[in-house]
Amino acid sequence: GQSLEQPSEVTAVEGAIVQINCTYQTSGFYGLSWYQQHDGGAPTFLSYNALDGLEETGRFSSFLSRSDSYGYLLLQELQMKDSASYFCAVRDRRAAAGNKLTFGGGTRVLVKP
Amino acid sequence: DAGITQSPRHKVTETGTPVTLRCHQTENHRYMYWYRQDPGHGLRLIHYSYGVKDTDKGEVSDGYSVSRSKTEDFLLTLESATSSQTSVYFCAISELAGDHEQYFGPGTRLTVT
Repeated sequence: GQSLEQPSEVTAVEGAIVQINCTYQTSGFYGLSWYQQHDGGAPTFLSYNALDGLEETGRFSSFLSRSDSYGYLLLQELQMKDSASYFCAVRDRRAAAGNKLTFGGGTRVLVKP
Repeated sequence: DAGITQSPRHKVTETGTPVTLRCHQTENHRYMYWYRQDPGHGLRLIHYSYGVKDTDKGEVSDGYSVSRSKTEDFLLTLESATSSQTSVYFCAISELAGDHEQYFGPGTRLTVT
């Protein structure tokens, strides 16, 4: 089976930097994805790491270490609109068809003025 | 935004009644998924489809069935709803095999009393 662990909640002030860690256990691994979900909304895709290292997309960056089964999402220059839940997800390598994703429990980020 | 709609958006039903949720896409994507989202559990895969009439179970499939008779529609049926199936249900789609990026519909909030 697969499991992912991430903190349940993080609080920070506007302009700060937040790092959301994700550790995973999986019998097969393609890569680590990150999704954002605002309250009452649908999850939206943020980033994907298949190889070790840092991927940067504007104020958000995502990092992966395959040897450590660990990744993180870095939110820089926090803005109030970044208040949301963030989910890491891994794709099941064993899937015969389709692109089954297993999600972590989510990290709720609260940005304060 | 990917063209995904879900109906109904909200539903209250009684224990023991059948319920069908509909997901409709206009993107002509091959892969479609049903997830449920509960506090503390993130998103859990119920069933997915990798083509018309091709479906498979996810991690929480007990009590649910699905059908896909057309590329654009993916139906989720609760044959006899139970209170434990009170949840928010999301449909998602993806285009390519091995695609880590899924597009989510707006969700259906189902309450079973």
